[in-house]
Amino acid sequence: SQKIEQNSEALNIQEGKTATLTCNYTNYSPAYLQWYRQDPGRGPVFLLLIRENEKEKRKERLKVTFDTTLKQSLFHITASQPADSATYLCPCDRGSTLGRLYFGRGTQLTVWP
Amino acid sequence: NAGVTQTPKFQVLKTGQSMTLQCAQDMNHEYMSWYRQDPGMGLRLIHYSVGAGITDQGEVPNGYNVSRSTTEDFPLRLLSAAPSQTSVYFCASSQGANVLTFGAGSRLTVL
Repeated sequence: SQKIEQNSEALNIQEGKTATLTCNYTNYSPAYLQWYRQDPGRGPVFLLLIRENEKEKRKERLKVTFDTTLKQSLFHITASQPADSATYLCPCDRGSTLGRLYFGRGTQLTVWP
Repeated sequence: NAGVTQTPKFQVLKTGQSMTLQCAQDMNHEYMSWYRQDPGMGLRLIHYSVGAGITDQGEVPNGYNVSRSTTEDFPLRLLSAAPSQTSVYFCASSQGANVLTFGAGSRLTVL
């Protein structure tokens, strides 16, 4: 089965800096992976999806990269704000097209003023 | 557009009791799933459905039943609650590119 390792359980950065979160996939390089944001007491919310044939995806202040050789995805938030504080999840597919996603534990990001 | 609606938001059960967590979506999504989220662990898939009348087990299905009689509804039944089933449960749906839309969650405590 796939194992997802996120670089740390918690990341604290100062407002205005770039936050970089890492996801490593230990068993196989997924066909696609996604990034979600989860706020306390709420369900995860989809942010970005990147496929194995894409190197980079951007959405406003967010950027995701995907290195299939390293089996690693990086998630960047530029000009971070306290409102970006949340837990970020990086699930990947289970090798099928039926939408079954593997989730890791997530990284809790705190942006302080 | 309500998205994915879960009820109840909170529930306390005694060991051995049964109950049903409700999930409804209004987006006409074919795929629906149930996850549980426990402290220090990632979301784990309990059961999923790829369409009305079709269900299958995820990675932690024991103690839970599901059915999918309509596209909109996907209830999760706890047959005989155990303290190990204390968790936050999330229902999710998707269509096409496997992007999941989650409900707000149901927090269950089993005493």
